[in-house]
Formats: sequence, C-alpha cells, structure tokens
Amino acid sequence: GAVVSQHPSWVICKSGTSVKIECRSLDFQATTMFWYRQFPKQSLMLMATSNEGSKATYEQGVEKDKFLINHASLTLSTLTVTSAHPEDSSFYICSARSGGDNQPQHFGDGTRLSIL
Amino acid sequence: AQSVTQLDSQVPVFEEAPVELRCNYSSSVSVYLFWYVQYPNQGLQLLLKYLSGSTLVKGINGFEAEFNKSQTSFHLRKPSVHISDTAEYFCAVGLYNFNKFYFGSGTKLNVKP
Repeated sequence: GAVVSQHPSWVICKSGTSVKIECRSLDFQATTMFWYRQFPKQSLMLMATSNEGSKATYEQGVEKDKFLINHASLTLSTLTVTSAHPEDSSFYICSARSGGDNQPQHFGDGTRLSIL
Repeated sequence: AQSVTQLDSQVPVFEEAPVELRCNYSSSVSVYLFWYVQYPNQGLQLLLKYLSGSTLVKGINGFEAEFNKSQTSFHLRKPSVHISDTAEYFCAVGLYNFNKFYFGSGTKLNVKP
C-alpha cells in the first residue's frame, strides 16, 4: 500500500520551455502533498506544501511564479516549472501523506529534469 | 530552530557486519522520527517510524532504530548487512502539530563483499 507515482521519471528540454511533473497517490487519498528538490550529493529541500483544493504554501526563497503547484484532487498534484533554465536542472521528488502530521510521507521515484 | 544532523556522510562496511547510522536532532517541540532509504535515481522509501510508545522501533529489511530522548538521537541499526543495503539513508523529523519535515543530509552506506 501507499504507492506514489511520479511522471515523467526523466525529461530533457530546451531552455525557455515549461515542464509539468505529475504526482499521483495510487491507493490512498493524499490530503497533503509535498514537493522537494534534491541537488547532487545533498539532502532534500522542501519547496512547497499543498493541501487539496488550497493554494500551495511555498518555502522561503522558492519562487511561486516559477514553480506552479496545483493540487486539484486528493490523488493528484502537479508541479510546473515555467520558462525553465539550466539552473533549474535538478532531481524533483514529490511525496504524499494521508492524515495528520504524525503520519509518514510516501515518496514518488522522482523526476530528473535536465534543461539544455 | 529545528535541525537534523547525520554526522557520517559515508559509512563503508563489509557484508554481514553490523552497522549503525547516526542521527541527532534538535527541536523545541515534540517530534516524530523517520528513517528513509534512497536507491540511485529513485525516491525515498520508508524504513521505519517512531511516533510514541516503545523507543525501539523495528522496520523493514531487518533495520531497527532506538529513540533516545535525553540524547535527542534516533540511530539506525542492522545486525548484519547485505550488499543490497547499499544506498543512501535519510533521517527525518516531523514536528508535532506542524506540517513540515526536516531531513538530515544523508548517509551513504556502502556494503563491500
């Protein structure tokens, strides 16, 4: 149980394009979803937290107009990297949680984004 | 302020030897504690969690961890490791009544034959 699917797993695109990453909870309803960014050899950096039907809460230093997050249903959240540039290249990981803050987050397999 | 410290960035160990991966945290509020494992180019998989109750927690793949409140530690242990345990391990702290996780910097476990 508690499977989170993230798609695509790898994307390469030209600078200036927008990229959408999907995060789905397959067998549970995710009241809260989280988006992280992981730089090489570093830990996960929380970008934003989203609750279904609400606007996402962004961490300090994360541009909300650059990283658009939509959490339209209890099983789907999307992250759109708008007008992507090479410095946006990274490993993006989503997680989903059902219930309160004492519940673990379940992670997708991540998306490796490479901007040329 | 809250923080999670994993002192060892890399831990080399021979197969079938025991291993301990260290995690210390600081927090002014009650915490929940988790250990995750990450294999290359994959997301994180939950190994075990401590919410309350018994301080010794058993997880998947033969791992266990012990919560020590006085030392603010949550070290991960396995009595006999396998090659397949080679991965990066992250300690995470969730704050009671807060909607946020804090991750340690990770420890790479390298199991040698």
